[in-house]
Amino acid sequence: GDSVTQMEGPVTLSEEAFLTINCTYTATGYPSLFWYVQYPGEGLQLLLKATKADDKGSNKGFEATYRKETTSFHLEKGSVQVSDSAVYFCALSGYGNKLVFGAGTILRVKS
Amino acid sequence: DTAVSQTPKYLVTQMGNDKSIKCEQNLGHDTMYWYKQDSKKFLKIMFSYNNKELIINETVPNRFSPKSPDKAHLNLHINSLELGDSAVYFCASSQTAGEGSEQYFGPGTRLTVT
Repeated sequence: GDSVTQMEGPVTLSEEAFLTINCTYTATGYPSLFWYVQYPGEGLQLLLKATKADDKGSNKGFEATYRKETTSFHLEKGSVQVSDSAVYFCALSGYGNKLVFGAGTILRVKS
Repeated sequence: DTAVSQTPKYLVTQMGNDKSIKCEQNLGHDTMYWYKQDSKKFLKIMFSYNNKELIINETVPNRFSPKSPDKAHLNLHINSLELGDSAVYFCASSQTAGEGSEQYFGPGTRLTVT
């Protein structure tokens, strides 16, 4: 079945450091891919999405490119802030639009 | 105006009890979902409804019964609660059940079974 694997955390960075969170997927066909963010005590917010190969999703300085050849959708940000501290989930859209999530990566940014 | 709302936000109850969680969306969406997030933050779909019809029913104990009285509401009733049911339950909605339709999540209901 469909699955998503993302790098384990926690990832701890200093403010203004470069961020990469790796995400790879296994699926039949070419699903839409998403990054969601969960701030402490809150629900999930859609961060960005890509619907086909080579699409780049971007939002709030975060970017991810849909790579069909490597079945990857890595999340990047050039300069993180303390306010980016959260849990980040990579997900794909499967049958009936159900989201299949990775395990989540905790990001901690220190000032 | 909250797009997807859930009540209650916190629910503490004893084993064996029956409880319900309610979800409402005011986005005019056709499709609604229930997800469960366990203590390790892992998220998994439980159910989804499209236009009040059940379309996804993952491997969930039949103690869990969803009900959709109309397109804007999706409730989750849980019978005979067990310790392992302790989790955060998220409701979500999307415009359609089509692949890639963006899902909007509620704030979650933290259920603690003692």
